[in-house]
Amino acid sequence: GAVVSQHPSRVICKSGTSVKIECRSLDFQATTMFWYRQFPKKSLMLMATSNEGSKATYEQGVEKDKFLINHASLTLSTLTVTSAHPEDSSFYICSAGTPSTDTQYFGPGTRLTVL
Amino acid sequence: SQQGEEDPQALSIQEGENATMNCSYKTSINNLQWYRQNSGRGLVHLILIRSNEREKHSGRLRVTLDTSKKSSSLLITASRAADTASYFCATARTPSNDYKLSFGAGTTVTVRA
Repeated sequence: GAVVSQHPSRVICKSGTSVKIECRSLDFQATTMFWYRQFPKKSLMLMATSNEGSKATYEQGVEKDKFLINHASLTLSTLTVTSAHPEDSSFYICSAGTPSTDTQYFGPGTRLTVL
Repeated sequence: SQQGEEDPQALSIQEGENATMNCSYKTSINNLQWYRQNSGRGLVHLILIRSNEREKHSGRLRVTLDTSKKSSSLLITASRAADTASYFCATARTPSNDYKLSFGAGTTVTVRA
């Protein structure tokens, strides 16, 4: 149980385009989902907390107009990187939490490369 | 923001040996968790220890928590090649009503066959 999927697993796009990444909890309802960014050989940096039915909460220094987050249902959150630039290239990971446990369940990650 | 510092940054051991890594943190916590990440993959939850617990076991894993020193350790016994991965500690702050985790920098473990 507690499986989280991400799609796509890998995306290459041209500079200036927008990219949407989906995060789904497959076998449980997630009222809260998190989006992280990870640079090579580095730790996870929390970008934002996505709450179902309400606006996402962004961490300091993360541009909310650049990284659009939508949590439309209890099983789906999306991250859209708008007008992507090479510096947005990174590994993006989502996770989902449930009220009954303090554990977060992580998706497999999405490797974004902006040319 | 990150609040965990892990030590060592990298560890190379022979199969069958034990691997120990440490995590220190700065603020009061509700719980501390350890995760494993294989290269280019997502994180897998290993074990959670609450602030009122001192030691916890799960299979070949042993985690200790010393809240007075704000530190935790993860011991992997009888390591296997499949244990090769990065290991991260993550803390949930008090009050813990937002489920946010702060991750440490991680320890990269290489188990040589």
